[in-house]
Amino acid sequence: EDQVTQSPEALRLQEGESSSLNCSYTVSGLRGLFWYRQDPGKGPEFLFTLYSAGEEKEKERLKATLTKKESFLHITAPKPEDSATYLCAVQARNNDMRFGAGTRLTVKP
Amino acid sequence: DAGVTQSPTHLIKTRGQQVTLRCSPKSGHDTVSWYQQALGQGPQFIFQYYEEEERQRGNFPDRFSGHQFPNYSSELNVNALLLGDSALYLCASRAVGVETQYFGPGTRLLVL
Repeated sequence: EDQVTQSPEALRLQEGESSSLNCSYTVSGLRGLFWYRQDPGKGPEFLFTLYSAGEEKEKERLKATLTKKESFLHITAPKPEDSATYLCAVQARNNDMRFGAGTRLTVKP
Repeated sequence: DAGVTQSPTHLIKTRGQQVTLRCSPKSGHDTVSWYQQALGQGPQFIFQYYEEEERQRGNFPDRFSGHQFPNYSSELNVNALLLGDSALYLCASRAVGVETQYFGPGTRLLVL
């Protein structure tokens, strides 16, 4: 069965303290891996789509990477406004879409 | 360009009642999916509509049903509401052949 596991569940950083969030997955034929940011009580905001191992994408302080078993979301010199829950999702060959439970990031000034 | 819109934003119902939630997709998108997100959890896929037909369904009972209209907007209906149906209901849209989905702000449903 397709599975997505995100770690850690929660992460507290000081402003400027770089770190990485992990998304481990098992899926029958990966069509795409997606990263979203979600603020409390709001809908997920699209960040990145990755399609194949070795692919990397960057946006401002965020960089997403993909291997055959996991994806990392690297946050460089985070700011308090980066505080949010970061969700990872995988789409299988049969179009099934499965989300992880998310990593709750808090960045303290 | 308006993104995905959903209505209402909040809703309170009692057990056994029925509810209808609405979604308008992003301009240029024709595929709509619905998700249920419990507090502290990731979204769970309910079903997907394309060309006014349900194309895929997650592990949800028949109490959950939907519809897509010719203008691509969609409704989610839930019958015989249970306390456990309390959640944030999210609508996401995409263009056919493109994997990336964009989400709406969600409808917060509370069942008392």
